[in-house]
Order: sequence, then C-alpha cells, then structure tokens
Amino acid sequence: SAVISQKPSRDICQRGTSLTIQCQVDSQVTMMFWYRQQPGQSLTLIATANQGSEATYESGFVIDKFPISRPNLTFSTLTVSNMSPEDSSIYLCSGEGAQETQYFGPGTRLLVL
Amino acid sequence: SQQGEEDPQALSIQEGENATMNCSYKTSINNLQWYRQNSGRGLVHLILIRSNEREKHSGRLRVTLDTSKKSSSLLITASRAADTASYFCATDEKETGANSKLTFGKGITLSVRP
Repeated sequence: SAVISQKPSRDICQRGTSLTIQCQVDSQVTMMFWYRQQPGQSLTLIATANQGSEATYESGFVIDKFPISRPNLTFSTLTVSNMSPEDSSIYLCSGEGAQETQYFGPGTRLLVL
Repeated sequence: SQQGEEDPQALSIQEGENATMNCSYKTSINNLQWYRQNSGRGLVHLILIRSNEREKHSGRLRVTLDTSKKSSSLLITASRAADTASYFCATDEKETGANSKLTFGKGITLSVRP
C-alpha cells in the first residue's frame, strides 16, 4: 500500500489569502487526486493531478481558484487561492496504487476567517 | 454528482453485534471501494471489489456486490467500539478511454456502544 503524507495538517487563514497544501507519496503512483470534504459532508473530487501537465478539473472547480502542480510521480501541491469562509473544509489528496486501490492522505483541515 | 448512496445514514449497535451497511449506485462501474473515516481524519481503505467479483472477505469485513441491482453491502462482524466511524462507499465508473476517478456516497455513521 502507498503511504501518503500532507502538510500542513491544519491551518487557520484570513479571508483573501492563499494556502498551498503539499502531498507526498512514499512510492510512485500513476494517478494523484485532490478532494474536498466540507463539514459533515462526503468527499468531492476537485481535480486529477497530472504529472508534467495541467491538472484535469471537475465541474465547478477552476484552475484560477485551485492551481495544482505535480512535478514528479510522488509529489503534488494544491493551492486554495483568494480564500473565503466557504473554502473552510478538509482537503485530501489520494494516490492510486497497485490494483486500482486509492490511498488517502490524512487531510488538511482549513478554517478561513 | 454523487454516485453511491449508502443506507442507513446512521447505525447504532451494541459491541459484539454485526453491522450491515448498504450502498447503491447508478452507472456501470469498474470497481467499488469501501473506506472508513474516524472523526474528520483521513480515509482508511478497507476493501476493493471489482465488477466481476461477487464477494470478498478481509478479517471481520465481508463485502458483496450485485451488479444487476447496482448495490453493495459491507458487513462488519463482531463489532468493537473502535469500529465507531463514518463509512463511505466509492465507485470507480467505467468510462472508455477515461482515467479512473472515485465518486463517493454520503457516508454512514456507525456507533458501536461498549
């Protein structure tokens, strides 16, 4: 199984600022994804992080708001830009390992004031 | 849009009892995965069942898949207080030429009373 770490684990940010979340996988994975989980809700896919090319965004999510990088097969970042209180959520990255299993990081809990 | 829909939404049982959670979905799938989440933490992968499989076991977990009914069930036997968590099913939809991605249900809150 893949072990995934995220930094920071939590943050409190001011409205209008940006936060970059890092995701590190301990082994090479073909696919990496970013999800958002709003309070008391399920997970919603933000985008697929593609290595060496632009991320593929889901409906309702745009690159200007959630720029994503994936410079290599084991690392990705998600930036939450120009934050508002509505962006308060848990942000999780995942990697697809062997046998199509997706493994998740511990999440980054974001509170925007 | 959410593909998987679990039921019940909340389940409370006594330690030692079995817990059964169900998940229904709408489209053809490549596989279905069950996850556990403890109190707003990350997701722990429990089990993956492929569309050509009908039943899988892992320790105290038993998962079934009925593709004709587009449904799956997760059975936890001899439950423990530590099983208290939210459980999610997630489907990997079968789209020709597309990369895999998971669609999550709303989740089931399981409480196991000691």
